[in-house]
Amino acid sequence: GEDVEQSLFLSVREGDSSVINCTYTDSSSTYLYWYKQEPGAGLQLLTYIFSNMDMKQDQRLTVLLNKKDKHLSLRIADTQTGDSAIYFCAENKGSARQLTFGSGTQLTVLP
Amino acid sequence: KAGVTQTPRYLIKTRGQQVTLSCSPISGHRSVSWYQQTPGQGLQFLFEYFSETQRNKGNFPGRFSGRQFSNSRSEMNVSTLELGDSALYLCASSGGTSGLTGELFFGEGSRLTVL
Repeated sequence: GEDVEQSLFLSVREGDSSVINCTYTDSSSTYLYWYKQEPGAGLQLLTYIFSNMDMKQDQRLTVLLNKKDKHLSLRIADTQTGDSAIYFCAENKGSARQLTFGSGTQLTVLP
Repeated sequence: KAGVTQTPRYLIKTRGQQVTLSCSPISGHRSVSWYQQTPGQGLQFLFEYFSETQRNKGNFPGRFSGRQFSNSRSEMNVSTLELGDSALYLCASSGGTSGLTGELFFGEGSRLTVL
């Protein structure tokens, strides 16, 4: 996952917004994804964005894509303790099912 | 609709042994991908199978192999285990409309410990 970069840790207060950032490398990636992993569990797809979009909103989640800078962000509004998890961004390189993942951002939500 | 099922969930092996992991995809999904997750290397793509054929392969040695059956169930095998093979092995399935967007649905994983 060294081609996709994320900061390792983020702490926020319950009720605040969280913003998790990601820089990817392949400008030809068609889709970019955000996955969530809770302790001892597999990965859960949160949302994805098509590369010709700038923004996608899905309930508390907002994805912003800056294709020029190859920068992707995930904003979680009204962050709850249940949102504490590791968040991975991923890009598809060459094949829609061969994803390259970032190292993951550990989100900790403080009461 | 049942999710992706992986067995076994946990297993312990010793160096030099071999291991087989199983994955049952979501009903109707024909693509199965495998990923290895370790603290040091993160999530890395192993291979993908579609209709019993390997379509893509990641950068892993030949000790890692897989196959897919006609019912789309998949197995992966690791021979001559090394300590560095200790990892969480994740299987993901894709199909239908999710096949167009590349959405992967992951199982809970098989955690392999090599002693």
